[in-house]
Amino acid sequence: DAMVIQNPRYQVTQFGKPVTLSCSQTLNHNVMYWYQQKSSQAPKLLFHYYDKDFNNEADTPDNFQSRRPNTSFCFLDIRSPGLGDAAMYLCATSRDRGPGTEAFFGQGTRLTVV
Amino acid sequence: RKEVEQDPGPFNVPEGATVAFNCTYSNSASQSFFWYRQDCRKEPKLLMSVYSSGNEDGRFTAQLNRASQYISLLIRDSKLSDSATYLCVVRGPAEGKLQFGAGTQVVVTP
Repeated sequence: DAMVIQNPRYQVTQFGKPVTLSCSQTLNHNVMYWYQQKSSQAPKLLFHYYDKDFNNEADTPDNFQSRRPNTSFCFLDIRSPGLGDAAMYLCATSRDRGPGTEAFFGQGTRLTVV
Repeated sequence: RKEVEQDPGPFNVPEGATVAFNCTYSNSASQSFFWYRQDCRKEPKLLMSVYSSGNEDGRFTAQLNRASQYISLLIRDSKLSDSATYLCVVRGPAEGKLQFGAGTQVVVTP
C-alpha cells in the first residue's frame, strides 16, 4: 500500500488560476517536504515542515505557499500559476532530519498550466 | 557551484557489464548520503543509503570518500531493468535538508 499519497496525479490549471496539490502520509513522519522537478533537472526543494515548524527556502517564490493542518496532510498552494510553474511536484516524508534518515516520496503530481 | 553534482550521462552499458559513476558534494559537513533511482516520469525511490565503510546490496555497491567529498555507485552484471536515472542525495547540516543531484542516466542495452 502506498505510504505517501499525492492527489491528483495530473492537474491542468489555467494561467493565473489558484491550484492546490495535496499530500497525505500513513507513516506518522515528522517531516514533510515539497519539491519541484522540471524535465531532466534535480528536484528542487521548495519548503519543508518539521512537525508544525515551517521552513521556506530562500529562493522559493511567494507564489508558492504551504499548509500542514495535521501530521498526515500537507498542501501546496500555487496562488497564480504561470507557464514556468509547469512541473512535477513531489511530496516526501522522513521520520526526522537526523543523519541516516531517508525520505519516502509520493508518486508526484504533474502540473500543466494552459 | 552546485551543492550536489553528477555526470548526467547517459552511460550506455551492455547487459552484463559493470558501470560506475560518482557524485560530488560541496559541503564537508554533510551528514548522510543516499542513492535514489528514478524511472522516467516516476517518483524517486530509495536504492540504498551510503555508509562510511561502504556497503553492498546485491549487485550494487556504494562508497563514500569524505576526504574528496564524493560518493560512488557501482552496478555489476547490469540488467535491462537497471536502466534509469540515478539520483545522488545528500542530507546537509542545515536543518538536515535533502539536496539532490540532477541525476546520472544509465541505459542498459541488450
